[in-house]
Amino acid sequence: QKEVEQNSGPLSVPEGAIASLNCTYSDRGSQSFFWYRQYSGKSPELIMSIYSNGDKEDGRFTAQLNKASQYVSLLIRDSQPSDSATYLCAVTPQGGSEKLVFGKGTKLTVNP
Amino acid sequence: DAGVTQSPTHLIKTRGQQVTLRCSPISGHKSVSWYQQVLGQGPQFIFQYYEKEERGRGNFPDRFSARQFPNYCSELNVNALLLGDSALYLCASSSPYQTGMTYEQYFGPGTRLTVT
Repeated sequence: QKEVEQNSGPLSVPEGAIASLNCTYSDRGSQSFFWYRQYSGKSPELIMSIYSNGDKEDGRFTAQLNKASQYVSLLIRDSQPSDSATYLCAVTPQGGSEKLVFGKGTKLTVNP
Repeated sequence: DAGVTQSPTHLIKTRGQQVTLRCSPISGHKSVSWYQQVLGQGPQFIFQYYEKEERGRGNFPDRFSARQFPNYCSELNVNALLLGDSALYLCASSSPYQTGMTYEQYFGPGTRLTVT
């Protein structure tokens, strides 16, 4: 079983819609969860971090964490063409290590 | 404030050669981590250094080594290059205890290594 799994997509949504990105992880002791955005040919950019169960909102982005289900998601409201990118889910394993374990990413396309 | 910087931006090497990649963390950050990202995959953890000490190592062969300097800059060395080492090498810096938990990592622009 892969440590962090994401649907590779591509996920296509119309402009103005809500994009929903999902991620599951295998290490039940994982402590910290991150979403990165990566434009083609660029490096990952941190957009959200979440540490406790529930929702965390930042502008058009909402991260949701459910540790019991080992599931983390990212919602992007009012999607814009500039949101078109690959979204990477990253998790830190049990033990407080700084090691980030990434999923393969979900490619999102927002159509004008 | 300047973000994480990496040099060089691009590099072309031949199989069997050695390469050194460099990273300068965000000012005030004492932790540097290195990742390898091949096309179509998420980044894979190689090393983490904090206060010049190795704090973590990923599943990479001994051809990969790194170090951190007193100014918190870091170098990643790869010996005896293989074609499979072609990838984007990412450096990330963080400031432990900034959030009280883990450690948001901020990536540099990366070094694109091509081995021919």
